[in-house]
Formats: sequence, C-alpha cells, structure tokens
Amino acid sequence: EAGVAQSPRYKIIEKRQSVAFWCNPISGHATLYWYQQILGQGPKLLIQFQNNGVVDDSQLPKDRFSAERLKGVDSTLKIQPAKLEDSAVYLCASSGLGETQYFGPGTRLLVL
Amino acid sequence: AQKITQTQPGMFVQEKEAVTLDCTYDTSDPSYGLFWYKQPSSGEMIFLIYQGSYDQQNATEGRYSLNFQKARKSANLVISASQLGDSAMYFCAMSRGLRNAGNMLTFGGGTRLMVKP
Repeated sequence: EAGVAQSPRYKIIEKRQSVAFWCNPISGHATLYWYQQILGQGPKLLIQFQNNGVVDDSQLPKDRFSAERLKGVDSTLKIQPAKLEDSAVYLCASSGLGETQYFGPGTRLLVL
Repeated sequence: AQKITQTQPGMFVQEKEAVTLDCTYDTSDPSYGLFWYKQPSSGEMIFLIYQGSYDQQNATEGRYSLNFQKARKSANLVISASQLGDSAMYFCAMSRGLRNAGNMLTFGGGTRLMVKP
C-alpha cells in the first residue's frame, strides 16, 4: 500500500513570495491533516479535513495561509506572502476510519 | 486543553540495552488516545504504538512497549534491545477521543535518542 505522498520535498523562497505544497493521502483515507513543525519542536496542527470539508482550522494563520481539498482526495496548502517565521517542515497526514494517522515525508521550507 | 510534556531533550543508550523515554500528559477528557512516533533525520513521522485511555493492559508492538500509568498521567515508551537504527527523535502525542474518533494530535517537544555502538 502506498503511503502519503508530498511534494516538493524541499523549497527555498524569499520572504513575501508565495509557495504551495501538495499532498496525496493514502487511498481511501477520508481524513487529511496538515501540520507545521518548526525546528526543535513537535508538529502543530494547521488544518484538518474530513473528505472535502474543514473540521478544524483554528490554528491556521488565515491572513496568509490557505488550504483546500477538492474532491476529497488531494490537498494543497498555500502561503502568500511568506514570512521568515514560516520556515519549517510541513507534514501531511491521513487516517481512515478507526485508524492511526500516517504521515508523509514532509516538505522542508526555508524562507530567506 | 490538552498538553504533552517530554522532559528529556536528549538521551544516550548503549546498543542492546533497554531505554525508557518519558511522557506526561494533561487532559480533562475521559476518552483520549496516546501515541508514540519516531522521526529519523529523513523527517518522516513513523507510528510506533498506541494506547487508549480505557485500555487495561499496556500496549506492546515488537520491541516497543508503552508503560501507561493513568493515575500519574504518564505514558512512557520502553524500547528493549536498542539498535543503532533506533537513533532518532521520538514524539509522544495525544488525541481527544480514542483513535477511531479521527481527531487531531497534540505533540510533545520530543526526545532525541542516540544509540551508542
């Protein structure tokens, strides 16, 4: 069974630029999560989708971050404009009914 | 609100020995799940073990076991017979509700384990 796929794996941008990350969850998993992991810290949830609806986006900085999950499968997370403090690893995870969350390899973002 | 605390920023263990990684939690919910994940330098979070708040017995998965002490609100991870490949960051996490609720995870700050040959 294929795992959670994410791209790109690495991204370097300058502040005030825009960036987008893509996630393809495990086939059949209805729930998809985006976490932000700042260096030296544990991951923190940004947004959770159930199919194509948002369950929790209370910690998403909505002035600059947006996410969508069209058709309830793939998801994109966008930052516009990026700030220096957005430098982090962005982890996507998915879970099926009654299952544990499984994580993708993450996208490492560096904002200069 | 839920909170996870991992008080050991880093630990060394000799290869083939056992090691315990500490985790304490705080929640007012009666139903919750406790998880341990391993994060090697490649960055991916690898699920290791799960314990539900109503489980009477400690969870075990191969060389991993979870020492669940509900009254003390602790969920320590025990790794037996350490291997060089166990060197990584280890994160304790909890969910509101049991695993099948599909809720978000709250993570601790992590413990870096280094296995010495």
